[in-house]
Amino acid sequence: SQKIEQNSEALNIQEGKTATLTCNYTNYSPAYLQWYRQDPGRGPVFLLLIRENEKEKRKERLKVTFDTTLKQSLFHITASQPADSATYLCALGKTDSWGKLQFGAGTQVVVTP
Amino acid sequence: EAQVTQNPRYLITVTGKKLTVTCSQNMNHEYMSWYRQDPGLGLRQIYYSMNVEVTDKGDVPEGYKVSRKEKRNFPLILESPSPNQTSLYFCASSFAGPGNTIYFGEGSWLTVV
Repeated sequence: SQKIEQNSEALNIQEGKTATLTCNYTNYSPAYLQWYRQDPGRGPVFLLLIRENEKEKRKERLKVTFDTTLKQSLFHITASQPADSATYLCALGKTDSWGKLQFGAGTQVVVTP
Repeated sequence: EAQVTQNPRYLITVTGKKLTVTCSQNMNHEYMSWYRQDPGLGLRQIYYSMNVEVTDKGDVPEGYKVSRKEKRNFPLILESPSPNQTSLYFCASSFAGPGNTIYFGEGSWLTVV
């Protein structure tokens, strides 16, 4: 069955360091992968989208890589700040199920001053 | 301001009493979708709609109905709610499918007793 796995353990990191999150998937051929930020009790906020033919995308302090051979995406927050503390979700979509989007369970990031 | 608005935000209801959670977007988006979020399971897609009168099942459609009679509205209907439908529900929309920026509502906390 299709699986999307994110590290369930919270990532505790010191301010200024780079946080790196992992999204692994199995039995899946995604057309694109998305990353979201979610704060407690709030709706997810879209951050970045990377397509299957792209290796890397950047947006300000965020960087996403997509390795379809390893079936993995890495999400980096550079120069992390306490305001970056949140849960980060990855989501995958396929071209043959255009309307469907499947999410991982998310990884919590805690940035301490 | 771009918005996805859900109502009600909080609801406690009894088993078997039909309820509707409304969702409205002001961005003229074609694509809308409903998700439920449960601890440890992440976001799971219930239904989605690619356009008016076009709806399709997500991964967990059982016990839910939807309709898309107007572009801006996509209500979620629970004909006979059961306690296992207690969850946090999110509505989302995007311009042309999930392969684009998706905007989420603030969520609707539903408790079925």
